[in-house]
Amino acid sequence: KQEVTQIPAALSVPEGENLVLNCSFTDSAIYNLQWFRQDPGKGLTSLLLIQSSQREQTSGRLNASLDKSSGRSTLYIAASQPGDSATYLCAVWDAGGTSYGKLTFGQGTILTVHP
Amino acid sequence: GAGVSQSPRYKVTKRGQDVALRCDPISGHVSLYWYRQALGQGPEFLTYFNYEAQQDKSGLPNDRFSAERPEGSISTLTIQRTEQRDSAMYRCASSPTWNEQYFGPGTRLTVT
Repeated sequence: KQEVTQIPAALSVPEGENLVLNCSFTDSAIYNLQWFRQDPGKGLTSLLLIQSSQREQTSGRLNASLDKSSGRSTLYIAASQPGDSATYLCAVWDAGGTSYGKLTFGQGTILTVHP
Repeated sequence: GAGVSQSPRYKVTKRGQDVALRCDPISGHVSLYWYRQALGQGPEFLTYFNYEAQQDKSGLPNDRFSAERPEGSISTLTIQRTEQRDSAMYRCASSPTWNEQYFGPGTRLTVT
């Protein structure tokens, strides 16, 4: 059974810092990995999707890397801003079997960026 | 265009009552997924559909939970004889193919 772990559980930083969120998964047979942002009272917003054949994806100040063999992904946020404060969730899409489409999520990292 | 919508956004019900949660996916999306999220946790998979066919229901916790998507578009998740442990955020997502999933705002269910 796939298990996804995110470290740290919470992070508080001053505005302007570069930061790294970590995600690890136990089964490397994945189809893709997706990073989401969750704001209170709202849905999940997809930030980046990395296919299993890719090693990284970039969008603006966000960069996500994937090392499938070691079961790790990192989300790098450059020059953090107070508006980045949210919960960040990592999810993997298992390959094979009947579980196509099933995302397994980590528990999330709660990020607070202070002005 | 419109995103995934869910209704109701909030539902308070008494223990023992049945509830039906609705998901309206993005138009043309083939796949539809249901997840449940407890406070402080990531979402957990419940079930998913390709068109009207339920492909995987391994995440449904027990036989009080069921889902349907009769015309391959709108889906309903039904919980019979609700219990307090069913209280959670229920999230729906849709996807055009085996790719990026787009989530709705969720339905917050509270069973009193």
